[in-house]
Amino acid sequence: AQSVTQLGSHVSVSEGALVLLRCNYSSSVPPYLFWYVQYPNQGLQLLLKYTTGATLVKGINGFEAEFKKSETSFHLTKPSAHMSDAAEYFCAVMNTGGFKTIFGAGTRLFVKA
Amino acid sequence: DAGVIQSPRHEVTEMGQEVTLRCKPISGHDYLFWYRQTMMRGLELLIYFNNNVPIDDSGMPEDRFSAKMPNASFSTLKIQPSEPRDSAVYFCASSFPGTGPIFGPGTRLTVT
Repeated sequence: AQSVTQLGSHVSVSEGALVLLRCNYSSSVPPYLFWYVQYPNQGLQLLLKYTTGATLVKGINGFEAEFKKSETSFHLTKPSAHMSDAAEYFCAVMNTGGFKTIFGAGTRLFVKA
Repeated sequence: DAGVIQSPRHEVTEMGQEVTLRCKPISGHDYLFWYRQTMMRGLELLIYFNNNVPIDDSGMPEDRFSAKMPNASFSTLKIQPSEPRDSAVYFCASSFPGTGPIFGPGTRLTVT
């Protein structure tokens, strides 16, 4: 069984401030982990992924995430928020046994000028 | 590549009617996923296929929902009969094994 928990349905930051979106997962087998972004009235776009190897992964638009097995976490960060980062962000876990992929509830990021 | 293609983009229908949503995955992708997104329930996995074979349909809400994948380049999600609570955005996504699903633009379904 697998599950994803995103802490905080809404996060608000000032432009230029650090962005931190939290994700914890559970999985009975080693997971693959993903972050997606969704802009209004659009589909989901893959930001970054962790499969194996380096636990700090970099994605598009300056985002990065770190896989911490001991904490079962995969938090998303960006050093300096931009207005264009305002969107909804989803964490996802893929079961490496059968590649079933489920998503967290999402976190809406607001960026204040 | 054109990406994942879904049709129609918008569908408005009356309760009790049959609805068919269509998806063309990215060529070469082995996996195809159907998700439903609502404000109340978020993004739910309905069913997914591997090489055209359904692997897990435990997310299909009830017998009114059915999905098929007759070949590697086409899948359908059918709702019969439709109900107002089926109103949602339905996403199709495809992937290679172990890669993140690539999403289509979605079909916004409204059942009145």
